[in-house]
Amino acid sequence: AQSVSQHNHHVILSEAASLELGCNYSYGGTVNLFWYVQYPGQHLQLLLKYFSGDPLVKGIKGFEAEFIKSKFSFNLRKPSVQWSDTAEYFCAVTPGGSNYKLTFGKGTLLTVNP
Amino acid sequence: EAGVAQSPRYKIIEKRQSVAFWCNPISGHATLYWYQQILGQGPKLLIQFQNNGVVDDSQLPKDRFSAERLKGVDSTLKIQPAKLEDSAVYLCASSLILGQGTNEQYFGPGTRLTVT
Repeated sequence: AQSVSQHNHHVILSEAASLELGCNYSYGGTVNLFWYVQYPGQHLQLLLKYFSGDPLVKGIKGFEAEFIKSKFSFNLRKPSVQWSDTAEYFCAVTPGGSNYKLTFGKGTLLTVNP
Repeated sequence: EAGVAQSPRYKIIEKRQSVAFWCNPISGHATLYWYQQILGQGPKLLIQFQNNGVVDDSQLPKDRFSAERLKGVDSTLKIQPAKLEDSAVYLCASSLILGQGTNEQYFGPGTRLTVT
């Protein structure tokens, strides 16, 4: 069974700082990878996804993630964070070829101070 | 486009009582999922429907949890009897078609259950 590990439980940054949130997964086959975000008081929503092709994926609001197969990693990045990026971020994985049985990491709470 | 609807948003019950949650997916979405999210953890899939059939319920505690999607549209998740460890947010999600790798799962706002 697949599993997802997110390295940081809580990250605190100042506005304009760069962000990188770590995500590693364990699964032997091909995978689909996702980052979901949950803003305060809102529901989970998709930030970006990787299925195949270019391992550098761009999502909404200036976020991007890079799939490094050799490292089983899918780290999330943003060059300059804003106060409105304060949220909880979840990395998730499904076996390749389907989008079912999403396995989520425990999440990283990002706090951006103005 | 209306999103995934869930009710109630909050529920407080005593242990050993029963509770039911309701979910209405996005119109036209064939696949429906129920997740349990315990505080400090990511969502965990409980059960997955394709239309009105169960695709995966391997992580559903069947001695106390049940779910149905009789007409292939809305769904209910029931817990009977509840235990303290069932305190969590119960999320419903839907997507267009199972097995389509590019399909996104859309999540509802969740029902926060507190068992005392």
